[in-house]
Amino acid sequence: NAGVTQTPKFRILKIGQSMTLQCTQDMNHNYMYWYRQDPGMGLKLIYYSVGAGITDKGEVPNGYNVSRSTTEDFPLRLELAAPSQTSVYFCASSYSGPVNEKLFFGSGTQLSVL
Amino acid sequence: AQKVTQAQTEISVVEKEDVTLDCVYETRDTTYYLFWYKQPPSGELVFLIRRNSFDEQNEISGRYSWNFQKSTSSFNFTITASQVVDSAVYFCALSERDAGGTSYGKLTFGQGTILTVHP
Repeated sequence: NAGVTQTPKFRILKIGQSMTLQCTQDMNHNYMYWYRQDPGMGLKLIYYSVGAGITDKGEVPNGYNVSRSTTEDFPLRLELAAPSQTSVYFCASSYSGPVNEKLFFGSGTQLSVL
Repeated sequence: AQKVTQAQTEISVVEKEDVTLDCVYETRDTTYYLFWYKQPPSGELVFLIRRNSFDEQNEISGRYSWNFQKSTSSFNFTITASQVVDSAVYFCALSERDAGGTSYGKLTFGQGTILTVHP
């Protein structure tokens, strides 16, 4: 089992560029999440999805978009990258939500916007 | 709004010392869940424990133990006889319900505590 796979691991963007962070899981999990981790700030929820075709905003959604066309994939799109989006991004998943069971996390994507 | 505070930014201990990581939370929910996750140097967060608000029994798992005190809104984590492999960032987290009272399991994380265990 690969678990939660994120690509790329590192990326440098110029201001105004766009990119998609990929996340895929092979555990047939319904719930998927995108978090960002800023130094000393803990993790903040960007977007989440409770199943294919259903997405909703988290705490810090501005500047991002998501889609969930399949159970396995939950890509995060950055439009018009800004320095404030420099962060480490984590994708996570669980079958029925982390209240009922643990979240599985990917290894993260370190993004720098210069 | 829910809030989780981990006041200790960094802790440094020598191997075999005991260490306690503090976690204080705020919530208006009467039913909620608390979690601890570990982030080793590899970066991937690893689940350690989940505790619901109705269960105040302390829990022990090997060298790890957790002290949940509703009266002080705290959920502290103790590592006994620490080892170098315990070096990591540790996050406390609290579940969140939406306005309709349904929980999609959105977690509010604390700022994290960096634990360094020296040989």
